Amino acid sequence: RKEVEQDPGPFNVPEGATVAFNCTYSNSASQSFFWYRQDCRKEPKLLMSVYSSGNEDGRFTAQLNRASQYISLLIRDSKLSDSATYLCVVNLNTGFQKLVFGTGTRLLVSP
Amino acid sequence: GAVVSQHPSRVICKSGTSVKIECRSLDFQATTMFWYRQFPKKSLMLMATSNEGSKATYEQGVEKDKFLINHASLTLSTLTVTSAHPEDSSFYICSAPTGSSGSSTDTQYFGPGTRLTVL
Repeated sequence: RKEVEQDPGPFNVPEGATVAFNCTYSNSASQSFFWYRQDCRKEPKLLMSVYSSGNEDGRFTAQLNRASQYISLLIRDSKLSDSATYLCVVNLNTGFQKLVFGTGTRLLVSP
Repeated sequence: GAVVSQHPSRVICKSGTSVKIECRSLDFQATTMFWYRQFPKKSLMLMATSNEGSKATYEQGVEKDKFLINHASLTLSTLTVTSAHPEDSSFYICSAPTGSSGSSTDTQYFGPGTRLTVL
């Protein structure tokens, strides 16, 4: 079983749509969780951290369920510029940061 | 925000040659940096943890004699791919956490990556 698993994608949505991505992780000792965004042939960039209480940043909402080892990202009112690959990332924090990346879910927002 | 640079951004080399990639933290000191590799349509995979003043820690399956890491200063880590072969062609990305404590709350910033093509 992969350490971090994500929806396979790609997700093709029209502008203005709401889209949700799911992610599960296998290591129950994981300490912190993130969503990163990666554009084609670029480095990943931190989109947001994910907290147990859930957190929101503008049109983006992240949720964490530690019991189910499940993470989600909701994007409301999709923009063309949201088109990218979204990476679910888990920090195992084995004494220091060790980020484990999911394979990513590609989002294509069309006019 | 914190900035991490990499050089070169792209390199094409012949099989058998060695390639050095530099990773620099531009506005903060990093006692630790991380090196990742990403193959097309695959996730980033951690190769090794670079530690300033001590040996790098390699992930399982990564050959330390092939991927030489030197953390020369608090702002510079280098990855040398020795005797490169076509299967080493990949996107190599470094990252550095902004904190010195190694806390899980430290934010990691990624360099722009180096695309290596071995002919």
